[in-house]
Amino acid sequence: KNEVEQSPQNLTAQEGEFITINCSYSVGISALHWLQQHPGGGIVSLFMLSSGKKKHGRLIATINIQEKHSSLHITASHPRDSAVYICAVRGSADKLIFGTGTRLQVFP
Amino acid sequence: DTGVSQDPRHKITKRGQNVTFRCDPISEHNRLYWYRQTLGQGPEFLTYFQNEAQLEKSRLLSDRFSAERPKGSFSTLEIQRTEQGDSAMYLCASSLGRAPYEQYFGPGTRLTVT
Repeated sequence: KNEVEQSPQNLTAQEGEFITINCSYSVGISALHWLQQHPGGGIVSLFMLSSGKKKHGRLIATINIQEKHSSLHITASHPRDSAVYICAVRGSADKLIFGTGTRLQVFP
Repeated sequence: DTGVSQDPRHKITKRGQNVTFRCDPISEHNRLYWYRQTLGQGPEFLTYFQNEAQLEKSRLLSDRFSAERPKGSFSTLEIQRTEQGDSAMYLCASSLGRAPYEQYFGPGTRLTVT
């Protein structure tokens, strides 16, 4: 079993839909990251959180430390949101342990 | 551009050849990380440096792999006697090494071993 599990693996949506991507982890962490990866490989950090909830524009990330679970929400999804979203947890020495990613496609 | 840069962006090589990749971190960042990402998977940790010291190596990093950061600035990752299983995206990231410990990623080097 992977230390970081994401669901779903693939997600398609119509423009405007509310999107939720889930992440569960089994190790102790100091923080959890949500990352976005576009075709070609570049990775951009969306959120880093260790408790509660963060919001940036149409993106919302929440974490429940007791349940070892985090969610990434996208409100009013848009085709430009199409990308792979990766959950990563930071353990010892601040190296990251990554989930396998969720491929999101938003159609107009 | 003051972000993390990697060179080359793409490398195609024949099995058995040696390859070397370079990563230039953000200038004031003292931690530098190498990750490998195979198709359809999330990245996996390979190794990291605090300044010039290599502090941790993953078991994924076989004897054919070596990484250096000689002056605590740029880093190189060398793969000797490449195998088809080495085909992957090699990602570099850097961080300040203190709170908030955010890592900034480079664009990656895509290696194809034929």
